[in-house]
Amino acid sequence: SYVLTQPPSVSVAPGETARITCGGNNIGTKSVNWCQQKPGQAPVLVIYSDTDRPSGIPERFSGSNSGNTATLTVSRVEGGDEADFYCQVWDSSSAHWVFGGGTKLSVL
Amino acid sequence: EVQLVESGGGLVKPGGSLRLSCVASGFIFSSHSMNWVRQAPGKGLEWVSSISSTSDYIYYADSLKGRFTISRDNARNSLFLQMNSLRADDTAVYYCARGLYGTSSEGDNFQYWGPGTVVTVSS
Repeated sequence: SYVLTQPPSVSVAPGETARITCGGNNIGTKSVNWCQQKPGQAPVLVIYSDTDRPSGIPERFSGSNSGNTATLTVSRVEGGDEADFYCQVWDSSSAHWVFGGGTKLSVL
Repeated sequence: EVQLVESGGGLVKPGGSLRLSCVASGFIFSSHSMNWVRQAPGKGLEWVSSISSTSDYIYYADSLKGRFTISRDNARNSLFLQMNSLRADDTAVYYCARGLYGTSSEGDNFQYWGPGTVVTVSS
């Protein structure tokens, strides 16, 4: 089955840029979604189809996908961005949705 | 406004059963695939099951081993998850989420999620 690998944690200072990676075999050929989950809340979609933002998501959130790595970039990080972030893909070969293990973003 | 509201969670003994429901509003329910995702305490998101808009295509995570059954009633804008032979490791918050298309596929996403319902399996 398809596996997505994320770093457990990423830490940045306020105002800096956070980059959260999602590794998978030829993930660049798949469409990657990212969701943000704050403690005690349901996940919120922040990036879909590699690079697109749903309405209401700040422009500070952006995505890219190439080769074996997809990346979620959060620019000008704020304290309110602290959350767990998950990447997600549809694996057509197994007809399964796959989530990465999640990355905790901490703002120093 | 799109809304998804889960219900049916609770405390159940190992080996028992539960039926979760998710009532949808604010969109044409019969046009979208629907999904169940769970999250064990302190753990990450785990996809459980998906069902297409017309129930023609149904998918399950391998870990469920036939214990769970997803279904939907488009007339009642409702999604269901019948869970049998429950085990302690099924303890989790269960979320329903709306797919973008009628069937899970490349380019699909889960833009809308319910608040979740808690399932606890314990003796």
